[in-house]
Amino acid sequence: DIQMTQSPSSLSASVGDRVTVTCRTSQTISRYLNWYQQKPGKAPKLLIFGASSLQSGVPSRFSGSGSGTDFTLTISSLQPEDFATYYCQQSYSTPITFGQGTRLEIK
Amino acid sequence: EVQLVESGGGLVQPGGSLRLSCAASGFTFSSYEMNWVRQAPGKGLEWVSYISSSGSAIYYADSVKGRFTISRDNAKNSLYLQMNSLRAEDTAVYYCARNIRHNYGSSLDHWGQGTPVTVSS
Repeated sequence: DIQMTQSPSSLSASVGDRVTVTCRTSQTISRYLNWYQQKPGKAPKLLIFGASSLQSGVPSRFSGSGSGTDFTLTISSLQPEDFATYYCQQSYSTPITFGQGTRLEIK
Repeated sequence: EVQLVESGGGLVQPGGSLRLSCAASGFTFSSYEMNWVRQAPGKGLEWVSYISSSGSAIYYADSVKGRFTISRDNAKNSLYLQMNSLRAEDTAVYYCARNIRHNYGSSLDHWGQGTPVTVSS
């Protein structure tokens, strides 16, 4: 199975900050990497697919980059509604696997 | 509007069984692959099972293989998860999620609201 490691596990930031979350995989996966946002008590929401493609309806302040084993999710200017937990997920091989999550909190 | 609505969760004793359902609407269900993903209390996301659009291809996580069975009824726009020999570690919210294919694999682009399963005596 492909292991996914996100960093940091938690992050405190302020509205307007630029934030970056990193995801590293245990083997190369090209660009087979997705990012999800989950708010408490809600289902996850797809933000980014194929490492850098923005899902329809997702604000442009979200962006993704990377390929191979190292990936990043960047939020260019944090908004109050962005405080949530973020997960990376690989679709390169079965079983699909998720990172452990990065909890983004208000400073 | 795409909608996925899970049902069938609840409290069950260890060793018991439960059947989850996911009712799909707003899209051509028979054209899409589907998944079950679960989330234990306070934990991250764990993929459970996948089924192809026709039902001909099925995969399971090792943690549920031999105990859970995924199926679908395209005529009824419904996805199912039969869970047998349940264990305490199966306690989680179970989500059904639609799979979409693109140039770089696939993504889970729509999720249901989840149905909670608690395995406890």
